[in-house]
Amino acid sequence: AQSVTQLDSQVPVFEEAPVELRCNYSSSVSVYLFWYVQYPNQGLQLLLKYLSGSTLVKGINGFEAEFNKSQTSFHLRKPSVHISDTAEYFCAVSEWEGAQKLVFGQGTRLTINP
Amino acid sequence: NAGVTQTPKFRILKIGQSMTLQCTQDMNHNYMYWYRQDPGMGLKLIYYSVGAGITDKGEVPNGYNVSRSTTEDFPLRLELAAPSQTSVYFCASGSLSAQYFGPGTRLTVT
Repeated sequence: AQSVTQLDSQVPVFEEAPVELRCNYSSSVSVYLFWYVQYPNQGLQLLLKYLSGSTLVKGINGFEAEFNKSQTSFHLRKPSVHISDTAEYFCAVSEWEGAQKLVFGQGTRLTINP
Repeated sequence: NAGVTQTPKFRILKIGQSMTLQCTQDMNHNYMYWYRQDPGMGLKLIYYSVGAGITDKGEVPNGYNVSRSTTEDFPLRLELAAPSQTSVYFCASGSLSAQYFGPGTRLTVT
């Protein structure tokens, strides 16, 4: 079985500042890794994913994440945030094989202050 | 290409009532999923399907049922609604590398 821990439930930052949202996972098998974003009263939108290859993956809206196998982490970063990045961010994993069922972390609420 | 659509957007049920949440996708994905999201929590898997006629339980299946008669549709049935089923329900469909989510159904059971 897999589990995902998002280390911060809330992250407040000022506009144009950098941000890192932390995610650690646990799994006995190889996994795919994902970050999803949820804007208020909306569904989840895929931000980026790691399937294989380069450990640094780039996603939409200027976000990127780095897969660290030894530390079982997949932290999300953005060098300069905007007010429009205010949202809930979810880290998730799925097994390589089978039905690719997603296991989610608890979410991190990112608040951007002007 | 509408992606994943869900109806209704909102619903209030009385305890003991039943209802069906509808989900349709137009991406020809074999895999479909139902999740629930409780306040301050991540999403938890209720049921999933790997193709028409094939369904299986997820992490929190009690109180729910599903069917998958076509590739496009994956309805979720609530029988005998309970307050613990108050939640936001998301349907998703996917390929091997990602899942795509519908806008959600906000359900309140009183």
